[in-house]
Parts: sequence; structure tokens; C-alpha cells
Amino acid sequence: GAVVSQHPSWVICKSGTSVKIECRSLDFQATTMFWYRQFPKQSLMLMATSNEGSKATYEQGVEKDKFLINHASLTLSTLTVTSAHPEDSSFYICSAPWTGATASSTDTQYFGPGTRLTVL
Amino acid sequence: QKEVEQDPGPLSVPEGAIVSLNCTYSNSAFQYFMWYRQYSRKGPELLMYTYSSGNKEDGRFTAQVDKSSKYISLFIRDSQPSDSATYLCAMSPNTGTASKLTFGTGTRLQVML
Repeated sequence: GAVVSQHPSWVICKSGTSVKIECRSLDFQATTMFWYRQFPKQSLMLMATSNEGSKATYEQGVEKDKFLINHASLTLSTLTVTSAHPEDSSFYICSAPWTGATASSTDTQYFGPGTRLTVL
Repeated sequence: QKEVEQDPGPLSVPEGAIVSLNCTYSNSAFQYFMWYRQYSRKGPELLMYTYSSGNKEDGRFTAQVDKSSKYISLFIRDSQPSDSATYLCAMSPNTGTASKLTFGTGTRLQVML
């Protein structure tokens, strides 16, 4: 269990266009999902927390109007990078917490394979 | 000062060596600790998690937590070339579904044949 997928895995777009990235929990439900950004040879930086049925919460310094998040269902969250520019080129990764097979298991976050965005 | 410090490496070891990877942290609220392995251009894969001081073993991997020193370690025994990856430590103050993870910068490991 605990498989998270992302689509697309790689996208190239022109400056000024918008790009949508999907994150799905395949075999479990996730009321919360997290979106991270990772620049080359750097660690993951949390961008926002996606909440099913309510607005996303953004980390300090992340523009909510630029990075639109929609948690459409218990298995799907989308991140839309609006009016993308070359500085938005990065590796975007989502994660979802999963308790596991038993009630005594501890919530653990499982990550998607990532989406590499290149803005020309 | 970063909340979580991790030596970026790279760390090169011969096949079969014991590898020691470490992180220090400054926030005493962190109670829940994880190690992730990330291959190039892939998402992180959970290796170990623990929430108490002491050791936890899983196959060739041992996670060690010393809360009094704010220091965590991951040991890999009998290292293999397939272990070559970036290892990220992560920690959180709680374990709820809304818990946010704070990551180290990652240590790049290269296991040589």
C-alpha cells in the first residue's frame, strides 16, 4: 500500500503559460497532501499543505496566486503554476500521509515520483 | 542557523563498508524522525522512521536517535552499489496527518565496486 503518483513526470512549457501537476494517492485516501519544491542538489522545501474540502495553507514566501492548489477529492490534489517563468523551473514533489494497515501505525508521509518542470 | 543540519557529502565508500549518515537539529520540539532515500530525479522513498531515543533496526539499516544531543544517525551495513543515492533526514514535532516535515539538505552516497 501507500503508493502516490504524479502526472506528468516531465513538462516543458513556454514562459507565461500555466502548467497543472496532478498528485494522486492510488490505494489510500488522503485528506491532506503536501507540495514540495526541490532545486538541484538542494533539499525539499515545503510550499503548501493541500486540504481536501478547504483552502490550502501556504508557507511563508510562497505566492498563493502563482501556485494554485486544489484538493478535488480524497485521492487527488493539483498544483497549477500560473504564468510560469524560467525561475519556476524545478522539481515538484507531492506527499501524502498514510497511517498504515493497523490503527496503531504511525502516520508516515509517502512521496510521489516528482514532476520536473522546465520553463523556457 | 538551519533547523536541521546534514553534511551534503559526497561520501564515497567501497562495497561492503559500513556507512554512517548523520543529522543534527536545533528544535527540541522534533519528536518524530525519518530517513528517506532519493535516487536521482526520483521522489524520496521512506527507509526508516522512529519516534523514540535509541536504535531501530530493519535489515541492513539501523536508525539511531539521541534526543539529549539532538543527533540522529542512519547506519548501512554491507553497503551495495545499489545504495548509491542521496539520503535525506526529516523530522517533525508530531505525527498527525497535518504534520510538516523539515528536511536536511541530504547526503550523497556513492558505493564503489
